[in-house]
Amino acid sequence: DAMVIQNPRYQVTQFGKPVTLSCSQTLNHNVMYWYQQKSSQAPKLLFHYYDKDFNNEADTPDNFQSRRPNTSFCFLDIRSPGLGDAAMYLCATSRETSGRASLYFGPGTRLTVT
Amino acid sequence: GENVEQHPSTLSVQEGDSAVIKCTYSDSASNYFPWYKQELGKRPQLIIDIRSNVGEKKDQRIAVTLNKTAKHFSLHITETQPEDSAVYFCAGLGASKIIFGSGTRLSIRP
Repeated sequence: DAMVIQNPRYQVTQFGKPVTLSCSQTLNHNVMYWYQQKSSQAPKLLFHYYDKDFNNEADTPDNFQSRRPNTSFCFLDIRSPGLGDAAMYLCATSRETSGRASLYFGPGTRLTVT
Repeated sequence: GENVEQHPSTLSVQEGDSAVIKCTYSDSASNYFPWYKQELGKRPQLIIDIRSNVGEKKDQRIAVTLNKTAKHFSLHITETQPEDSAVYFCAGLGASKIIFGSGTRLSIRP
């Protein structure tokens, strides 16, 4: 089945210790997004890739970086996690950026910072 | 840019009754309005969407209505069931990306 996969599902890291979350997709979608979702809040867009073009949100901290080495994979790097970065991180894909295409979400990675 | 406001933030209805969630948007050029359902601990999933060229769309017990003049769209769930309990997010299109409303936590009372 075509899908969006995230690994790991749960990640515990120490304050200030770099961490990488991964996302892969078999949908062959052009666009891959990273959202941060904190408890009882809406998903907040961090950045997205349209093919290899990177689009950062203006309010995304520099602490968050992303890589997309190929169509199928996208990574979220948190260079120095703080306690405030504990959240669910959702990867999503869509066929295009017009907004008329549906978002397909992965199951998420729950990040805990100790 | 697009701004999407959603209300109510929480909604409790008796099983079998209807539930209505409303969203307003700011960008009159917006032309796509999806609704996502997120069950506890799970990913958001698209449940219904509407394009700007229609005023209403139905899919079994759920429907979405769009009023472009007033710039609002609503989710209607009829004959609610326990499995409808979840958080529902409306979304709008802003600068070629999906902007989510703040969410409505829907609880179905037995």
